Amino acid sequence: SQQGEEDPQALSIQEGENATMNCSYKTSINNLQWYRQNSGRGLVHLILIRSNEREKHSGRLRVTLDTSKKSSSLLITASRAADTASYFCATGSSGGGADGLTFGKGTHLIIQP
Amino acid sequence: DTEVTQTPKHLVMGMTNKKSLKCEQHMGHRAMYWYKQKAKKPPELMFVYSYEKLSINESVPSRFSPECPNSSLLNLHLHALQPEDSALYLCASSQAGPNSPLHFGNGTRLTVT
Repeated sequence: SQQGEEDPQALSIQEGENATMNCSYKTSINNLQWYRQNSGRGLVHLILIRSNEREKHSGRLRVTLDTSKKSSSLLITASRAADTASYFCATGSSGGGADGLTFGKGTHLIIQP
Repeated sequence: DTEVTQTPKHLVMGMTNKKSLKCEQHMGHRAMYWYKQKAKKPPELMFVYSYEKLSINESVPSRFSPECPNSSLLNLHLHALQPEDSALYLCASSQAGPNSPLHFGNGTRLTVT
């Protein structure tokens, strides 16, 4: 079953603007991760936030996590045409070991030049 | 380019054929995964191998048969597939711990005729 649910499903903005995507999940998590996927390619890991963290930054990316609301957001600042891609949140279970990630439905982001 | 290599990139097979998808990584990762992704959908977990042992099978039909010959290689043997099995098949690897990001290959685009 799907764990993460992103919104919006599609987002189109002008280059230079900020893009915000949200993710909600249902069960206890060990961590939450965000991935990017360019059309027809594999997914690329962007950032991981642990369940005891509230905010994390990496370059133009800012991720927040609210475990009380079971939600996370990904902010991309100063967007570029190359940021056009699908973005997925993914959660791991609260157990130990490698148990795979469950991906949300994704947000398709289009950056208009 | 990714550090996880999948072959072939494209595969067209008939419903009576037997074929195999291959995945290789040399990052020393001890967990490897198969995901299936339909168009405009998120990846869905199929199998997880941890330390070369199958640890998770997400109720995948027996016409898909995974194999992990060693810690660097992961195969997916296909037999008697259906047209609805057409999809992008993604391989990933990670460290074996629960917080490890996944490293994806670029996938095999499978078409079943």
